[in-house]
Amino acid sequence: GAVVSQHPSRVICKSGTSVKIECRSLDFQATTMFWYRQFPKQSLMLMATSNEGSKATYEQGVEKDKFLINHASLTLSTLTVTSAHPEDSSFYICSAPRAFNEKLFFGSGTQLSVL
Amino acid sequence: AQSVAQPEDQVNVAEGNPLTVKCTYSVSGNPYLFWYVQYPNRGLQFLLKYITGDNLVKGSYGFEAEFNKSQTSFHLKKPSALVSDSALYFCAVRDAGGSYIPTFGRGTSLIVHP
Repeated sequence: GAVVSQHPSRVICKSGTSVKIECRSLDFQATTMFWYRQFPKQSLMLMATSNEGSKATYEQGVEKDKFLINHASLTLSTLTVTSAHPEDSSFYICSAPRAFNEKLFFGSGTQLSVL
Repeated sequence: AQSVAQPEDQVNVAEGNPLTVKCTYSVSGNPYLFWYVQYPNRGLQFLLKYITGDNLVKGSYGFEAEFNKSQTSFHLKKPSALVSDSALYFCAVRDAGGSYIPTFGRGTSLIVHP
């Protein structure tokens, strides 16, 4: 089946540094990828929709300058948390549909801890 | 607008007993409905979906769900629960004629006791 690979699975960084999270579709082309944030035992909060070759669409309340999204190719989308602060600590998950009506294929998530 | 509700934060069931995780939805048009499962510190895994056709949908790991249009529900069921089924379950919906972005419920924690 289709696979979405997310890397790294866990990252610990100092406050003020930037962290890049990669999401790759391994066996299909993903024109669209979704980025979610999840707090412990809570639901997924959609942060943004990344579209290959164009600007990402951010959900209300998500700072686009804080969470930079790049979708440079049909198989790779990246989320960069700039100048990370402890409140950015969270579980970040990417996902992509293989086709328009398809289910979503999820990455395994990235646990970000900002000290 | 589309929305989905999972009224239970947690469901507890004894191993071997049947389980039900509830989901109701609201869409303007026809719904596309999905169930996903999440194990600790992992991404979500697809269980099953309803797009069209038979109201009873069978999915992975022995799970099934019944689409009920009149009650706008899509409850997840399994005849005999396993301890390994303990996880976080998410229902999702999108409007067939609307946004291509699915809306997720808040999740229900299923705990299966030995």
